[in-house]
Amino acid sequence: NAGVTQTPKFQVLKTGQSMTLQCAQDMNHEYMSWYRQDPGMGLRLIHYSVGAGITDQGEVPNGYNVSRSTTEDFPLRLLSAAPSQTSVYFCASSYSARASTEAFFGQGTRLTVV
Amino acid sequence: GIQVEQSPPDLILQEGANSTLRCNFSDSVNNLQWFHQNPWGQLINLFYIPSGTKQNGRLSATTVATERYSLLYISSSQTTDSGVYFCAVVSNTDKLIFGTGTRLQVFP
Repeated sequence: NAGVTQTPKFQVLKTGQSMTLQCAQDMNHEYMSWYRQDPGMGLRLIHYSVGAGITDQGEVPNGYNVSRSTTEDFPLRLLSAAPSQTSVYFCASSYSARASTEAFFGQGTRLTVV
Repeated sequence: GIQVEQSPPDLILQEGANSTLRCNFSDSVNNLQWFHQNPWGQLINLFYIPSGTKQNGRLSATTVATERYSLLYISSSQTTDSGVYFCAVVSNTDKLIFGTGTRLQVFP
């Protein structure tokens, strides 16, 4: 059972480039979310989804887009990368369509924007 | 929105010592989790504990939802316990919100 899988693990981008961070889960979870973690800080919610076709904004959504076409996948898109988006990104999923069930996290993607 | 505060921010222990980490939250919650972020950055689920007490080996946790706090106990600490401990809560906004963490260093 793979759980929550994020790719890539590391990425370096130039300012202005675009890219997609991939997140997939094989637990048939309804709720998926993306977080960013800056040095010495806790995780902050970027976007979340309560099921296929439904997404919503978290605390820090600016500069990021998401879509949820299937239950399994929840990609995060950076349309025009900025140095302020240098961070570690975590994807999470939980069973129900609400956040109140236990969340499981992927291994993270370390992104550097130069 | 809900505020989540953890204390202490930093903790230094010698191997074998016990410790208590605290998580205070400003509103009622329907989910509370404790995570350990190891030195490699991986987030490890410790407890899903919206209320009550749970134990797992040397670790235990208690959440008193009516008083809006949770405690994580680590007994007989080991160097492998080092890292950052986060609590995270869900309130009526249906979003999992993290505290700022407690950084634990255990020395031999």
